[in-house]
Amino acid sequence: GNSVTQMEGPVTLSEEAFLTINCTYTATGYPSLFWYVQYPGEGLQLLLKATKADDKGSNKGFEATYRKETTSFHLEKGSVQVSDSAVYFCALSAYSGYSTLTFGKGTMLLVSP
Amino acid sequence: SAVISQKPSRDICQRGTSLTIQCQVDSQVTMMFWYRQQPGQSLTLIATANQGSEATYESGFVIDKFPISRPNLTFSTLTVSNMSPEDSSIYLCSVSAGQDTGELFFGEGSRLTVL
Repeated sequence: GNSVTQMEGPVTLSEEAFLTINCTYTATGYPSLFWYVQYPGEGLQLLLKATKADDKGSNKGFEATYRKETTSFHLEKGSVQVSDSAVYFCALSAYSGYSTLTFGKGTMLLVSP
Repeated sequence: SAVISQKPSRDICQRGTSLTIQCQVDSQVTMMFWYRQQPGQSLTLIATANQGSEATYESGFVIDKFPISRPNLTFSTLTVSNMSPEDSSIYLCSVSAGQDTGELFFGEGSRLTVL
């Protein structure tokens, strides 16, 4: 079956530090990959996505590259801000008539001034 | 994008009672999905709700515990029946962003605490 594994948190960083949150996946076929973000007290929002190998998704300074050879989709940001503090979920979608998402457990990011 | 409204946003419930969560979408959608997010855990798909047919439940979830209604293309309800403290979770309604995109839009969730 499909599964997503991401690094456990919390990840604690100082403002302007470099961020990496690791995500690897197991899936049959060629899934689409996503990063969702959940800010405190809010619902999930799509942060970025990639639909095929070697695609790079980017948004708000965050980037992730779909690496088929390593089955990975690591999230990176060069300089984090306090406002980036949130829980980040890696997910995959394996379309089979309709799309459902398989999520990782989420990684909490805490950024201090 | 779709705007998804859920009610209630949060509630505190007594053991043994049932609660119905409503999900309203601002556009017509074929499928709606209900997820559960237990404390400190990831999101787990409970069921997929198609308008005009019975909901399809994932392994570990049954209709008697989580009955779902889908009366039209913009609305769905999820009932959590005979609640126990283990049902304390955030329940999220979601819809597809479009065929073949794989992306989902989520409501803000309904946070239930069962005492």
